Amino acid sequence: QIVLTQSPAIMSASPGERVTMTCSASSSVNYMHWYQQKSGTSPKRWIYDTSKLASGVPARFSGSGSGTSYSLTISSMEAEDAATYYCQQWSSNPPTFGGGTKLEIK
Amino acid sequence: QVQLKESGPGLVAPSQSLSITCTISGFSLTSYGVHWVRQPPGKGLEWLVVIWSDGSTTYNSALKSRLSISKDNSKSQLFLEMNSLQTDDTAMYYCARGAGGGFAYWGQGTLVTVSA
Repeated sequence: QIVLTQSPAIMSASPGERVTMTCSASSSVNYMHWYQQKSGTSPKRWIYDTSKLASGVPARFSGSGSGTSYSLTISSMEAEDAATYYCQQWSSNPPTFGGGTKLEIK
Repeated sequence: QVQLKESGPGLVAPSQSLSITCTISGFSLTSYGVHWVRQPPGKGLEWLVVIWSDGSTTYNSALKSRLSISKDNSKSQLFLEMNSLQTDDTAMYYCARGAGGGFAYWGQGTLVTVSA
């Protein structure tokens, strides 16, 4: 199965700061999806097909990448963005998730 | 609107079996596949299985021998069964549906604790 490695595992950012987190795949994948999860709630699809924002996701979020390297970027950190973000692939079975990046606000 | 809601036993004894139900609304099981995903407390997400609209299934091979999925289209319900539970099966169990890429809709989850 394809292993997804997210880095960093934990990070913190100040309001207004640019944030980038990465997801590295053990084999090439066609697309990457990202989910946001806040404590005690279900994951929410956040970015899909590498760069498409899910409904209601602020435009300060963006996704990019190809092959084995993907990233999620926040152009200007806001307090409400503090959460854990997971990447996920389904280019091959089974679908797999990364271990998550926990983003905290400074 | 699309909704999924899981219900389960809460507490299961080690070596026993688990049965969880996912009740959906806002769409038909004859048109969409539904997945099961679990998350141990404080840990990441693990995909378990999908049952497609035609009733065919795809399992995570690591758990295939212990899992069974079925559905009742007329009742808009899906059923996940897992046998030989151990403490590391303690997790929040979610059902989820795709729409385009990824899992667009998630239930609230049902927490299953494996403990004597």
